[in-house]
Amino acid sequence: EAGVVQSPRYKIIEKKQPVAFWCNPISGHNTLYWYRQNLGQGPELLIRYENEEAVDDSQLPKDRFSAERLKGVDSTLKIQPAELGDSAVYLCASSRGGRNYNEQFFGPGTRLTVL
Amino acid sequence: AQKVTQAQTEISVVEKEDVTLDCVYETRDTTYYLFWYKQPPSGELVFLIRRNSFDEQNEISGRYSWNFQKSTSSFNFTITASQVVDSAVYFCALGGTNAGKSTFGDGTTLTVKP
Repeated sequence: EAGVVQSPRYKIIEKKQPVAFWCNPISGHNTLYWYRQNLGQGPELLIRYENEEAVDDSQLPKDRFSAERLKGVDSTLKIQPAELGDSAVYLCASSRGGRNYNEQFFGPGTRLTVL
Repeated sequence: AQKVTQAQTEISVVEKEDVTLDCVYETRDTTYYLFWYKQPPSGELVFLIRRNSFDEQNEISGRYSWNFQKSTSSFNFTITASQVVDSAVYFCALGGTNAGKSTFGDGTTLTVKP
Protein backbone atom coordinates (compact mmCIF):
# COMPACT_ATOMS: atom_id res chain seq x y z
CA GLU A 1 0.00 0.00 0.00
CA ALA A 2 1.46 3.35 -1.02
CA GLY A 3 1.88 5.91 1.72
CA VAL A 4 0.93 9.56 1.80
CA VAL A 5 2.70 11.40 -0.99
CA GLN A 6 3.70 15.04 -0.74
CA SER A 7 5.45 17.35 -3.14
CA PRO A 8 7.66 19.17 -3.33
CA ARG A 9 9.92 17.92 -0.55
CA TYR A 10 11.73 21.21 -0.30
CA LYS A 11 10.85 24.74 -1.37
CA ILE A 12 12.79 27.96 -1.03
CA ILE A 13 11.06 31.20 -1.90
CA GLU A 14 11.39 34.88 -1.21
CA LYS A 15 8.90 36.59 1.03
CA LYS A 16 5.73 37.85 -0.61
CA GLN A 17 5.90 35.08 -3.19
CA PRO A 18 3.12 32.48 -3.45
CA VAL A 19 3.72 28.79 -2.79
CA ALA A 20 1.65 25.65 -3.05
CA PHE A 21 1.99 22.19 -1.56
CA TRP A 22 0.34 19.06 -2.86
CA CYS A 23 -0.76 15.94 -1.01
CA ASN A 24 -2.06 12.59 -2.21
CA PRO A 25 -3.48 10.57 0.71
CA ILE A 26 -3.61 6.82 1.08
CA SER A 27 -6.28 5.33 -1.13
CA GLY A 28 -9.58 4.97 0.66
CA HIS A 29 -8.73 7.40 3.45
CA ASN A 30 -11.56 9.88 3.80
CA THR A 31 -9.92 12.19 6.30
CA LEU A 32 -7.03 14.44 5.31
CA TYR A 33 -5.06 16.75 7.55
CA TRP A 34 -2.59 19.56 6.98
CA TYR A 35 -0.20 20.33 9.82
CA ARG A 36 2.54 22.87 10.25
CA GLN A 37 5.59 21.87 12.26
CA ASN A 38 7.96 24.57 13.42
CA LEU A 39 11.49 23.67 14.38
CA GLY A 40 11.63 22.00 17.79
CA GLN A 41 7.86 21.79 18.12
CA GLY A 42 5.12 19.30 17.53
CA PRO A 43 2.80 19.43 14.54
CA GLU A 44 -0.02 21.96 14.72
CA LEU A 45 -3.22 21.24 12.85
CA LEU A 46 -4.07 23.78 10.15
CA ILE A 47 -7.08 22.14 8.52
CA ARG A 48 -8.90 18.82 8.46
CA TYR A 49 -11.05 17.49 5.65
CA GLU A 50 -13.73 14.82 5.76
CA ASN A 51 -13.95 13.88 2.11
CA GLU A 52 -14.13 17.23 0.32
CA GLU A 53 -15.52 19.18 3.27
CA ALA A 54 -13.26 21.25 5.52
CA VAL A 55 -14.57 20.38 8.99
CA ASP A 56 -11.92 22.08 11.11
CA ASP A 57 -9.98 25.08 9.82
CA SER A 58 -9.92 27.14 12.98
CA GLN A 59 -6.12 27.28 13.02
CA LEU A 60 -5.72 28.20 9.36
CA PRO A 61 -4.57 31.83 8.86
CA LYS A 62 -7.24 32.58 6.31
CA ASP A 63 -5.84 35.91 5.24
CA ARG A 64 -2.96 34.22 3.45
CA PHE A 65 -3.56 30.47 3.59
CA SER A 66 -6.05 28.52 1.53
CA ALA A 67 -6.65 24.86 0.94
CA GLU A 68 -8.80 22.71 -1.25
CA ARG A 69 -9.59 19.05 -1.65
CA LEU A 70 -11.41 18.65 -4.88
CA LYS A 71 -13.20 15.33 -5.36
CA GLY A 72 -12.23 14.33 -1.86
CA VAL A 73 -8.85 12.87 -2.81
CA ASP A 74 -5.80 15.06 -3.47
CA SER A 75 -5.37 18.30 -1.61
CA THR A 76 -3.47 21.52 -2.15
CA LEU A 77 -2.38 23.99 0.50
CA LYS A 78 -1.46 27.47 -0.69
CA ILE A 79 0.20 30.45 0.93
CA GLN A 80 -0.09 33.84 -0.71
CA PRO A 81 1.88 35.91 0.05
CA ALA A 82 4.45 34.02 2.10
CA GLU A 83 6.04 35.65 5.14
CA LEU A 84 9.31 34.89 6.89
CA GLY A 85 7.42 33.27 9.77
CA ASP A 86 5.90 30.71 7.43
CA SER A 87 9.19 28.83 7.26
CA ALA A 88 8.35 25.38 8.61
CA VAL A 89 7.66 21.81 7.59
CA TYR A 90 4.16 21.30 6.23
CA LEU A 91 2.88 17.81 6.89
CA CYS A 92 -0.03 16.06 5.30
CA ALA A 93 -1.68 13.08 6.97
CA SER A 94 -4.63 10.87 6.21
CA SER A 95 -6.80 8.42 8.10
CA ARG A 96 -9.82 6.26 7.51
CA GLY A 97 -11.89 8.81 9.36
CA GLY A 98 -15.10 8.23 11.19
CA ARG A 99 -15.71 8.48 14.92
CA ASN A 100 -13.07 6.05 16.05
CA TYR A 101 -10.13 8.41 16.05
CA ASN A 102 -8.17 6.25 13.76
CA GLU A 103 -4.44 6.24 13.33
CA GLN A 104 -3.08 9.00 11.14
CA PHE A 105 -0.54 8.20 8.45
CA PHE A 106 1.86 11.02 7.72
CA GLY A 107 3.67 12.01 4.57
CA PRO A 108 7.33 13.06 4.54
CA GLY A 109 6.46 16.75 4.61
CA THR A 110 7.46 19.80 2.61
CA ARG A 111 10.19 21.91 4.14
CA LEU A 112 9.50 25.55 3.29
CA THR A 113 12.14 28.22 3.66
CA VAL A 114 11.08 31.83 3.17
CA LEU A 115 13.96 34.24 2.61
CA ALA B 1 -8.51 23.48 25.92
CA GLN B 2 -6.20 20.55 25.41
CA LYS B 3 -2.54 20.53 26.31
CA VAL B 4 0.27 17.99 26.13
CA THR B 5 3.52 18.49 28.02
CA GLN B 6 6.67 16.56 27.30
CA ALA B 7 9.02 17.99 29.88
CA GLN B 8 12.10 16.17 28.62
CA THR B 9 13.42 18.07 25.63
CA GLU B 10 16.39 15.79 25.02
CA ILE B 11 17.50 12.46 26.43
CA SER B 12 20.76 10.69 25.71
CA VAL B 13 21.41 7.08 26.68
CA VAL B 14 23.88 4.37 25.83
CA GLU B 15 22.72 1.39 23.86
CA LYS B 16 20.96 -1.31 25.92
CA GLU B 17 19.87 1.12 28.61
CA ASP B 18 16.18 1.43 29.39
CA VAL B 19 14.65 4.86 28.89
CA THR B 20 11.28 6.37 29.79
CA LEU B 21 9.74 9.30 27.96
CA ASP B 22 7.22 11.27 29.98
CA CYS B 23 3.93 12.69 28.77
CA VAL B 24 1.44 14.67 30.83
CA TYR B 25 -1.83 15.84 29.35
CA GLU B 26 -4.70 18.17 30.18
CA THR B 27 -8.23 17.89 28.86
CA ARG B 28 -11.79 18.54 29.97
CA ASP B 29 -13.14 15.78 27.79
CA THR B 30 -14.28 12.60 29.49
CA THR B 31 -13.57 10.60 26.36
CA TYR B 32 -10.22 11.12 24.74
CA TYR B 33 -7.41 9.32 22.98
CA LEU B 34 -3.69 9.34 23.56
CA PHE B 35 -1.04 8.61 20.97
CA TRP B 36 2.67 8.23 20.61
CA TYR B 37 4.45 8.92 17.33
CA LYS B 38 8.08 8.50 16.33
CA GLN B 39 9.77 10.97 13.98
CA PRO B 40 13.11 9.62 12.73
CA PRO B 41 15.63 11.87 10.98
CA SER B 42 13.86 11.22 7.67
CA GLY B 43 11.02 13.35 9.03
CA GLU B 44 8.02 11.09 8.54
CA LEU B 45 5.95 10.61 11.70
CA VAL B 46 5.26 6.97 12.45
CA PHE B 47 2.32 5.91 14.59
CA LEU B 48 3.27 3.77 17.58
CA ILE B 49 0.19 3.42 19.76
CA ARG B 50 -3.32 4.71 20.45
CA ARG B 51 -5.06 4.47 23.80
CA ASN B 52 -8.58 5.54 24.70
CA SER B 53 -9.44 7.04 28.06
CA PHE B 54 -11.47 4.03 29.17
CA ASP B 55 -8.64 1.59 28.79
CA GLU B 56 -6.03 2.00 31.48
CA GLN B 57 -4.33 -1.29 30.87
CA ASN B 58 -0.66 -0.98 30.24
CA GLU B 59 0.56 -2.27 26.93
CA ILE B 60 3.73 -3.96 25.83
CA SER B 61 4.89 -4.39 22.26
CA GLY B 62 8.31 -5.92 21.96
CA ARG B 63 10.79 -3.53 23.57
CA TYR B 64 8.14 -0.81 23.86
CA SER B 65 5.74 -0.40 26.75
CA TRP B 66 3.26 2.26 27.75
CA ASN B 67 2.01 3.21 31.19
CA PHE B 68 -1.31 5.07 31.20
CA GLN B 69 -2.30 6.56 34.56
CA LYS B 70 -5.50 8.56 34.49
CA SER B 71 -5.07 9.67 38.12
CA THR B 72 -1.92 11.60 37.21
CA SER B 73 -2.91 12.38 33.60
CA SER B 74 0.19 10.69 32.33
CA PHE B 75 0.93 8.40 29.43
CA ASN B 76 4.59 7.44 29.65
CA PHE B 77 6.55 5.45 27.11
CA THR B 78 9.41 3.10 27.99
CA ILE B 79 11.94 1.59 25.62
CA THR B 80 13.71 -1.42 27.06
CA ALA B 81 17.23 -2.27 25.94
CA SER B 82 17.45 0.76 23.67
CA GLN B 83 19.10 0.52 20.29
CA VAL B 84 20.75 3.09 18.05
CA VAL B 85 17.80 2.82 15.64
CA ASP B 86 15.54 4.14 18.40
CA SER B 87 17.17 7.54 18.01
CA ALA B 88 14.40 9.90 16.94
CA VAL B 89 12.03 12.56 18.17
CA TYR B 90 9.05 11.09 19.99
CA PHE B 91 5.74 12.90 20.20
CA CYS B 92 2.87 12.34 22.54
CA ALA B 93 -0.51 13.51 21.26
CA LEU B 94 -4.01 13.92 22.66
CA GLY B 95 -7.29 13.73 20.79
CA GLY B 96 -10.62 14.79 22.29
CA THR B 97 -14.25 14.48 21.39
CA ASN B 98 -13.67 16.63 18.32
CA ALA B 99 -12.84 13.52 16.39
CA GLY B 100 -9.67 13.78 14.40
CA LYS B 101 -8.18 16.84 16.09
CA SER B 102 -4.96 15.95 17.84
CA THR B 103 -2.85 18.19 20.04
CA PHE B 104 0.81 17.30 20.00
CA GLY B 105 3.47 17.88 22.60
CA ASP B 106 6.73 19.48 21.57
CA GLY B 107 8.52 16.16 21.45
CA THR B 108 11.45 14.50 23.18
CA THR B 109 14.64 13.97 21.20
CA LEU B 110 16.11 10.61 22.09
CA THR B 111 19.71 9.87 21.19
CA VAL B 112 20.97 6.34 21.70
CA LYS B 113 24.73 6.09 21.54
CA PRO B 114 26.52 2.86 20.62
